[in-house]
Amino acid sequence: EPEVTQTPSHQVTQMGQEVILRCVPISNHLYFYWYRQILGQKVEFLVSFYNNEISEKSEIFDDQFSVERPDGSNFTLKIRSTKLEDSAMYFCARRQGGGYGYTFGSGTRLTVV
Amino acid sequence: SQQGEEDPQALSIQEGENATMNCSYKTSINNLQWYRQNSGRGLVHLILIRSNEREKHSGRLRVTLDTSKKSSSLLITASRAADTASYFCATTVDGTASKLTFGTGTRLQVTL
Repeated sequence: EPEVTQTPSHQVTQMGQEVILRCVPISNHLYFYWYRQILGQKVEFLVSFYNNEISEKSEIFDDQFSVERPDGSNFTLKIRSTKLEDSAMYFCARRQGGGYGYTFGSGTRLTVV
Repeated sequence: SQQGEEDPQALSIQEGENATMNCSYKTSINNLQWYRQNSGRGLVHLILIRSNEREKHSGRLRVTLDTSKKSSSLLITASRAADTASYFCATTVDGTASKLTFGTGTRLQVTL
């Protein structure tokens, strides 16, 4: 099955700037997720998105974060005013069901300077 | 609190040897999954074991699950240099939109 595609692969932004991370999952899946991984740390859940609505979000996912599925295929994560501690790898994922686990994108490395 | 803790944190073996990684978790789970991550890359799903299963095989991978001890192990047999990566366990819990809660990971180094 086709992979999940994330763009850009690497983004450098200045503190306080807005960034939009993009993911192209596959349109016939209903469950999508964003996770992040700070360098050297474990992968952390940010938000799950079901049927075009947020179904669950973590404490990390504060008012600075938002998700959208603007055109039925792309899935975006927006960080309104980036902070240094937002520097991390951000992964998009979709759930396949049937015992096949989740498919993760290759990630976007966000560096806030 | 951390749902998943893995040990060892790092493991170095020679090609051809078996590698065993362990994962412990705290709450009741729906299923437990293992993922591999090559340095700086995305996560690749390896295998999923449901809470009512005790053992599962996939190629050179063998996963066990002991729900009474809240632990799982991943065995990679006849390891290869290409198996060098970080390995994470991740659990899903009923009623939480199936989000994954990841462990801290084991860094496996397979040398020639």
